[in-house]
Amino acid sequence: GQQVQQSPASLVLQEGENAELQCNFSSTATRLQWFYQHPGGRLVSLFYNPSGTKHTGRLTSTTVTNERRSSLHISSSQTTDSGTYFCAIDPNTNKVVFGTGTRLQVLP
Amino acid sequence: EAAVTQSPRNKVAVTGGKVTLSCNQTNNHNNMYWYRQDTGHGLRLIHYSYGAGSTEKGDIPDGYKASRPSQENFSLILELATPSQTSVYFCASGDLTGGRSYEQYFGPGTRLTVL
Repeated sequence: GQQVQQSPASLVLQEGENAELQCNFSSTATRLQWFYQHPGGRLVSLFYNPSGTKHTGRLTSTTVTNERRSSLHISSSQTTDSGTYFCAIDPNTNKVVFGTGTRLQVLP
Repeated sequence: EAAVTQSPRNKVAVTGGKVTLSCNQTNNHNNMYWYRQDTGHGLRLIHYSYGAGSTEKGDIPDGYKASRPSQENFSLILELATPSQTSVYFCASGDLTGGRSYEQYFGPGTRLTVL
């Protein structure tokens, strides 16, 4: 089946530091998304980014489809960025496959 | 604002009992999904649907049934609940029309405990 690997599994930062989260996937035909899960459990979509680079606020996602990887960069991290970040792919089958996530903790 | 609601939010069931988890979306999305989330596994797809009347097996469908009676509603049914089904269940709706914007919106989750 399709595989989605995320790294690191967990990350601890001091407020103001930058973070780089990685996602590698086994299929070249993807509809890649990044999600954020609040510590309380709520999941929200951050990016739909099948290829190229997208920005929103302090977040930047870069997907290189033919290299089967995507990254999520968080600049000037804040304590409110703490939570778990997932990438997910849909290899054109409508069966979305999630990675196991990166748990981020930003300390004040 | 896209909206997906789930009920109940918390449920305690007994082994062998029947459990129905309900999901409603007001996004008019064709696709809906049920996932479970367990520590160390991320989210795993149980069942999904392309529209009213359709249900498809995801990656871990055993022990679960799904029902999509309408565009808005998608239910997950545990006919004979087991303790291994203790988990947090998320419903989502999504617009997956190829080539255009692809997003999923998630419900708040249902915490199910099977004793």
